[in-house]
Amino acid sequence: AQKITQTQPGMFVQEKEAVTLDCTYDTSDQSYGLFWYKQPSSGEMIFLIYQGSYDEQNATEGRYSLNFQKARKSANLVISASQLGDSAMYFCAMRERTAGGTSYGKLTFGQGTILTVHP
Amino acid sequence: DADVTQTPRNRITKTGKRIMLECSQTKGHDRMYWYRQDPGLGLRLIYYSFDVKDINKGEISDGYSVSRQAQAKFSLSLESAIPNQTALYFCATSDPGQGAGETQYFGPGTRLLVL
Repeated sequence: AQKITQTQPGMFVQEKEAVTLDCTYDTSDQSYGLFWYKQPSSGEMIFLIYQGSYDEQNATEGRYSLNFQKARKSANLVISASQLGDSAMYFCAMRERTAGGTSYGKLTFGQGTILTVHP
Repeated sequence: DADVTQTPRNRITKTGKRIMLECSQTKGHDRMYWYRQDPGLGLRLIYYSFDVKDINKGEISDGYSVSRQAQAKFSLSLESAIPNQTALYFCATSDPGQGAGETQYFGPGTRLLVL
């Protein structure tokens, strides 16, 4: 089963409007971390925002916020006041503990959502 | 200067050739990773190293090998390149002290084309 699912291959939004990019995850661990990265057309991977599974508040970083619904296992990225420069591929990723449960292991990425911001 | 650098940035090679991709970091992180990105498949982990003496296979290690020469350097080798290894390759680093919030920081990527 997919650990990270991003169901929207592509999304369109008008400049200055808000957009939500969906991410659902699958884990049996109680302690895990969720991340969003942005990949513009130039190719680099840019860290945007992090949410811990025990965090009671939704994470926010400037115009980015993470709508974390633990019971539904979703971690949607909300971008407010979209800008043309937000056009990019966005990846959701999760870190779980290793099989022994003693340390945190590697990231698992979703397949990404391409966001296009229209003027 | 960039914290995580990759060389070369672009490379064209022929089937059967040996090629090495290099990654250097100035972030002082113990953990380093190599990923490949293919269209529609997201990022997949090739190898990772939690310190200089600890190297582990990721989900797609066949056809690849790595070397952790120092804390700051992690190289990926394709012993005999084949066309389906054409991809965008990323190196990343992280600091294990952050627990579940351990964030990976990526290099700029290397575009590899195998003819």
